[in-house]
Amino acid sequence: DAKTTQPPSMDCAEGRAANLPCNHSTISGNEYVYWYRQIHSQGPQYIIHGLKNNETNEMASLIITEDRKSSTLILPHATLRDTAVYYCIVRVPSSNTGNQFYFGTGTSLTVIP
Amino acid sequence: ETGVTQSPTHLIKTRGQQVTLRCSSQSGHNTVSWYQQALGQGPQFIFQYYREEENGRGNFPPRFSGLQFPNYSSELNVNALELDDSALYLCASRNRGGYGYTFGSGTRLTVV
Repeated sequence: DAKTTQPPSMDCAEGRAANLPCNHSTISGNEYVYWYRQIHSQGPQYIIHGLKNNETNEMASLIITEDRKSSTLILPHATLRDTAVYYCIVRVPSSNTGNQFYFGTGTSLTVIP
Repeated sequence: ETGVTQSPTHLIKTRGQQVTLRCSSQSGHNTVSWYQQALGQGPQFIFQYYREEENGRGNFPPRFSGLQFPNYSSELNVNALELDDSALYLCASRNRGGYGYTFGSGTRLTVV
């Protein structure tokens, strides 16, 4: 059970903002939203995470709706190196099963020159 | 630089054999998780270790087992390999209180 729904693929023009949506309608109050990306043949790379407030770091911004049922990852100025599969993940803290990351199938982002 | 090293990078095994995959985490990373990623799919959680004890497990059979050592290294063992075990196996670690996991580049296992 991935707990998240993302579009399978998106294109973005180089230099423009890439907005990647994610639905997590069954999220619980103590579950964090994480974003990772995976470039071909590499392990997933951490981008950003949040609970209910919007977050920004040097890589991206994370916008979480007030009801927390969806979020958007924003890459402000996409470059060709941002071409990757982007995973929106709900981290479930549990004393029985550890802090599991539920990965879905992600969004394959292609940045076009 | 990822800080998490996995070995070997590629491996071919025969159905029914046993395999051990290794992971070396950053110093201080006392939590390690293992994931299986089939082609075209997202990673699936196998199990997690904290201070050398398993403290979480996904929907994988007992023939998937692990060990974590005091020197921040860990192993994933798979017995009685099946063709469907062919996948990329990822190790991820963090220190307690850390917010994000650092993933290794994975081991590509092919079962023939």
